[in-house]
Amino acid sequence: EPEVTQTPSHQVTQMGQEVILRCVPISNHLYFYWYRQILGQKVEFLVSFYNNEISEKSEIFDDQFSVERPDGSNFTLKIRSTKLEDSAMYFCASSEKETNEKLFFGSGTQLSVL
Amino acid sequence: QKEVEQDPGPLSVPEGAIVSLNCTYSNSAFQYFMWYRQYSRKGPELLMYTYSSGNKEDGRFTAQVDKSSKYISLFIRDSQPSDSATYLCAPGTGGFKTIFGAGTRLFVKA
Repeated sequence: EPEVTQTPSHQVTQMGQEVILRCVPISNHLYFYWYRQILGQKVEFLVSFYNNEISEKSEIFDDQFSVERPDGSNFTLKIRSTKLEDSAMYFCASSEKETNEKLFFGSGTQLSVL
Repeated sequence: QKEVEQDPGPLSVPEGAIVSLNCTYSNSAFQYFMWYRQYSRKGPELLMYTYSSGNKEDGRFTAQVDKSSKYISLFIRDSQPSDSATYLCAPGTGGFKTIFGAGTRLFVKA
């Protein structure tokens, strides 16, 4: 069964450092998303991406965040200068249709900012 | 008022019980109603989706939507220990952004 894969599964970084979280969406999907979940809290939308541009972003997704699809298979989330409050589980998701009623999630990258 | 509200639980039931999980929402524009299951430290997994008021059944799971009262339910019949997880309701407008409820933690005891 096709799945969304994310690497690394865990990332530890120092405050102020840049991190790149990587995702390989399901191959025939066209819509890509990043969500995050702070420990004990709900899953929060960060950004959606389609046709090589951002479709929608939340207020969390400020100038420190960026997304990119560098090639035909990868989808990345970059945090330029990490803060302690960026510590969370980051989930990549993809969907086949514009109406995103069926999201397929990866297993997540646990980011710890020290 | 929060856009999507769920009782966080935890809800603890014996194996074989019927489980009822509920969710309310405030945005009348929601047209799609999804339930996701999330195991500890894993990504959410789509369990059920429906587009309209009424019931939709899939195996041991039944999703129920009442648009008039903005109330969504998920019923699990013959619950199993493997059903122990957090259940997230996620109504949507069909756009690019899905709003998740905070989730209800379910424990099914063998």
